[in-house]
Amino acid sequence: GQQVMQIPQYQHVQEGEDFTTYCNSSTTLSNIQWYKQRPGGHPVFLIQLVKSGEVKKQKRLTFQFGEAKKNSSLHITATQTTDVGTYFCAAPFSGGYNKLIFGAGTRLAVHP
Amino acid sequence: DSGVTQTPKHLITATGQRVTLRCSPRSGDLSVYWYQQSLDQGLQFLIQYYNGEERAKGNILERFSAQQFPDLHSELNLSSLELGDSALYFCASNPSGGGTEAFFGQGTRLTVV
Repeated sequence: GQQVMQIPQYQHVQEGEDFTTYCNSSTTLSNIQWYKQRPGGHPVFLIQLVKSGEVKKQKRLTFQFGEAKKNSSLHITATQTTDVGTYFCAAPFSGGYNKLIFGAGTRLAVHP
Repeated sequence: DSGVTQTPKHLITATGQRVTLRCSPRSGDLSVYWYQQSLDQGLQFLIQYYNGEERAKGNILERFSAQQFPDLHSELNLSSLELGDSALYFCASNPSGGGTEAFFGQGTRLTVV
């Protein structure tokens, strides 16, 4: 189906701990995107992964795209209070203009 | 600032009423998406327009409709409103479709009382 499953729904960590969220699709994806939504804010694009097995890093954030292009993960090393928010994966699904479907999101709470 | 403008920011209305939410995409973006985000929920895809034409539909209720005008701004019309329609409605745009980064507006918070 045209959906992306994302887990976990919530994650509470102590500041300094690591955090990972996972996305999974039953179909091969052309690409996967990650967004962050701060509390009270709107989703903001973080990164796009396109190639099989691709790994990209942004400071403490590491993004991976699976070899089969059906799953992806976002890992945050040594979380900080500024990492608080909801992290969404999103992928374009079939249709001439590729509707962008979002996972359910993982809400991250960081306790100082 | 994403460059996507949504108005109004807040809207309070009564059940049974009709409202119109407006979105102006980034300059040059042809594709507009509408999403609904209920309290603490994910982003539910409603509908996508591209250069004035409807291109994809999600789980959009029959009471809801949208259009994209020649100047590329879009409107989402919600009618016969119910309490359960209370949510954040986001508009997003990108140049050509879902394959690329989407830029989101600040959202319209609709409260139905």
